[in-house]
Amino acid sequence: RKEVEQDPGPFNVPEGATVAFNCTYSNSASQSFFWYRQDCRKEPKLLMSVYSSGNEDGRFTAQLNRASQYISLLIRDSKLSDSATYLCVVSHTGRRALTFGSGTRLQVQP
Amino acid sequence: DAGVIQSPRHEVTEMGQEVTLRCKPISGHNSLFWYRQTMMRGLELLIYFNNNVPIDDSGMPEDRFSAKMPNASFSTLKIQPSEPRDSAVYFCASSPVVRAINYGYTFGSGTRLTVV
Repeated sequence: RKEVEQDPGPFNVPEGATVAFNCTYSNSASQSFFWYRQDCRKEPKLLMSVYSSGNEDGRFTAQLNRASQYISLLIRDSKLSDSATYLCVVSHTGRRALTFGSGTRLQVQP
Repeated sequence: DAGVIQSPRHEVTEMGQEVTLRCKPISGHNSLFWYRQTMMRGLELLIYFNNNVPIDDSGMPEDRFSAKMPNASFSTLKIQPSEPRDSAVYFCASSPVVRAINYGYTFGSGTRLTVV
């Protein structure tokens, strides 16, 4: 079983739609959580950290459920420019490096 | 801020040849990471350094792979001899060591390696 699991998609949504991605992690010792965005043939870039109380950054909302070991990302009012692959990322005390999920591809259509 | 700089951007080589990938981390960042990305396996951590010292190389696939960080501003990943299954995008990333866990990494643009 992979340490971080994501639905690969693709999610095809119209502009203006709300879309949600979920991710599950297997290591209960995980302590830090992030969402990264990766455009086609580009490097991953940090989108936002995920905090226990949930956090929002403009149209993006991240939630963490430690009991169920899942993380979510909600994108409201989707834009064409949101089309990308979204990577769920965790780290834990036993291995002080980030572990990446395989990513969920989003395609926003006009 | 120049960001994390990797070279070359693209490399095409024949099976059996030696390949050297290079990385310059962001100045002041004390942690450096090498990742490999393929369609089948996604992003995999190969090795990482703290203050130029290798901390975890458990992701290095086999002895053909080696990595060095001779100083705080330069690292290399070497594959010798290269094989077609090594074809992938290799990313280098850096982070301030005390904040690595909480603040994520900055990635370079990657080296796209093709072994024929």
